[in-house]
Amino acid sequence: NAGVTQTPKFRVLKTGQSMTLLCAQDMNHEYMYWYRQDPGMGLRLIHYSVGEGTTAKGEVPDGYNVSRLKKQNFLLGLESAAPSQTSVYFCASSSGTKGSEQFFGPGTRLTVL
Amino acid sequence: GQSLEQPSEVTAVEGAIVQINCTYQTSGFYGLSWYQQHDGGAPTFLSYNALDGLEETGRFSSFLSRSDSYGYLLLQELQMKDSASYFCAVMGDYKLSFGAGTTVTVRA
Repeated sequence: NAGVTQTPKFRVLKTGQSMTLLCAQDMNHEYMYWYRQDPGMGLRLIHYSVGEGTTAKGEVPDGYNVSRLKKQNFLLGLESAAPSQTSVYFCASSSGTKGSEQFFGPGTRLTVL
Repeated sequence: GQSLEQPSEVTAVEGAIVQINCTYQTSGFYGLSWYQQHDGGAPTFLSYNALDGLEETGRFSSFLSRSDSYGYLLLQELQMKDSASYFCAVMGDYKLSFGAGTTVTVRA
């Protein structure tokens, strides 16, 4: 039982390049989330999904796209990376019950030059 | 939208008690959660309060007052391993909005 996994763990991009971050969970959770965390700040919600085939915008969605084609996977895409997207990205999942714990992946450290 | 306020840093010695306060303003409130994050690690869930009062889990307790839009996390019998960042987060419509975090440093 791996919980929530993220690939890759580290990545360096040049401005304008694209990439996809993959999140996978094996807990059969309905809800999945993508956050970014910058130094001295809490986690900010980028996009989230309340079930397979659904996505919704969070607090800071600009410059990102997501897809949830399978219940266990949630992909975060950067179409044209910018230095402002340098951050640590965390994926999380939960059962969706109000107050239910969110389980976080180990994070992806992304640097955009 | 949501806004949460919590102190940025707290330092205490081993064995001491630390209280981390969190005040919030939100449109749509279901409850207050607390997460712990060690340096370089992922956030992990500590507690959730939906109703007023105190919830105790081992050395950690969490309190909520909905009328005051206020909560706190109480860390007792501090240990070195408790050195970490602690985030309060408001739960609304299955989404969490996080505060900026409180860095707790435990000294010997």
